[in-house]
Amino acid sequence: DVKVTQSSRYLVKRTGEKVFLECVQDMDHENMFWYRQDPGLGLRLIYFSYDVKMKEKGDIPEGYSVSREKKERFSLILESASTNQTSMYLCASSSGAHEQYFGPGTRLTVT
Amino acid sequence: DAKTTQPPSMDCAEGRAANLPCNHSTISGNEYVYWYRQIHSQGPQYIIHGLKNNETNEMASLIITEDRKSSTLILPHATLRDTAVYYCIVRASGYSTLTFGKGTMLLVSP
Repeated sequence: DVKVTQSSRYLVKRTGEKVFLECVQDMDHENMFWYRQDPGLGLRLIYFSYDVKMKEKGDIPEGYSVSREKKERFSLILESASTNQTSMYLCASSSGAHEQYFGPGTRLTVT
Repeated sequence: DAKTTQPPSMDCAEGRAANLPCNHSTISGNEYVYWYRQIHSQGPQYIIHGLKNNETNEMASLIITEDRKSSTLILPHATLRDTAVYYCIVRASGYSTLTFGKGTMLLVSP
């Protein structure tokens, strides 16, 4: 089975802190994605990557950056956390054109 | 990506078939129909996808109308663990990303 793991299930950070969210997949997938999910707004794409060291902006990249130094790992970075970045963050990976496999999510609270 | 319309909620008795409808009247010829679900506090889970023909896997069946303007996801014998929000998504294949709407909250009761 495909396994996508995220570094934390719950995280509490202070405004202005630098936050790292890590995602690891064990199926050698080329494609990896970071989404955030908020009530009433559905799932929104932040960044995605088709290959190592490659990244593409999604719908809401402002305030975020990403890093993909190894194929299995995709990191989301909040350079200076703000309260409006309180959300559920979901990582996904895929090998081809169809299904994406999601991790369990990280619920981030910024106070 | 084509827009989809789903009922906000549905109920189903445990052991019965759950039939979840989705309208996608503006679907294009190269767009697929995908179904995902999300159990509370978990990440979304891929269920099934199809282009024109009906599809079946170990989780569910997907019935797509001949004009492709609507589809139905069928869970043949719903269990309590199938209680989740079900999302119908229409998009072209390739590396384009997923856009989840509001979905259908399916409640399976004993």
